[in-house]
Amino acid sequence: DVVMTQSPLSLPVTLGQPASISCNSSQSLAHSDGNTYLNWFQQRPGQSPRRLIYKVSYRDSGVPDRFSGSGSGTDFTLKINRVEAEDVGVYYCVQTSHWPPWTFGQGTKVEIK
Amino acid sequence: EVQLVQSGGGLVKPGGSLRLSCAASGFSFTTAWMNWVRQVPGKGLEWVGRIKSKTDAETTDYAAPVKGRFTISRDDSKNTLFLQMDSLKTEDTAVYYCATGGFWGQGTLVTVSS
Repeated sequence: DVVMTQSPLSLPVTLGQPASISCNSSQSLAHSDGNTYLNWFQQRPGQSPRRLIYKVSYRDSGVPDRFSGSGSGTDFTLKINRVEAEDVGVYYCVQTSHWPPWTFGQGTKVEIK
Repeated sequence: EVQLVQSGGGLVKPGGSLRLSCAASGFSFTTAWMNWVRQVPGKGLEWVGRIKSKTDAETTDYAAPVKGRFTISRDDSKNTLFLQMDSLKTEDTAVYYCATGGFWGQGTLVTVSS
């Protein structure tokens, strides 16, 4: 199975400042169909996970444009341009290029300083 | 509006069984590959299994910890997904989510305890 490794696992940020989360996979997530199926999910306290980004860099409907995804191969990044209070929660990367199974990163907890 | 509304769950003794349901609306359920994902409270996310669409023979796949004990099925006439959980263990205690792509249910807590 593909192993997903996130860093940092805890990310205290100041409101209005940028934040960045890294996600590395144990093997390339490039799929034979030409796509790379790396997604980012946000889980706010007490809520279900919500997908923010799919196929590395495509924002889901309704996701603020302060969220962006980038990367290729085995290295991926989620950036929050200017952190707002509603961004507090845990962020997960998950790969679906080589499944089953979906494999998730450990999660990065974003909190306000 | 896409909705995945879950039901079932609760407290069950080790060795017992439970069935979860997930009622879908707002998208083409019959063509969707559906998944179950679980989360131990306070911990990360773990994929449980998947069922493909009828056109893909409703093929199922399971994570190693649940293989042989859990069964995923679907009723396309009712737009409903199921997770039958047998021979439950204490380590199966978790919130279970149904999911497809970017859409997730609200989650349902399963507690396995004597």
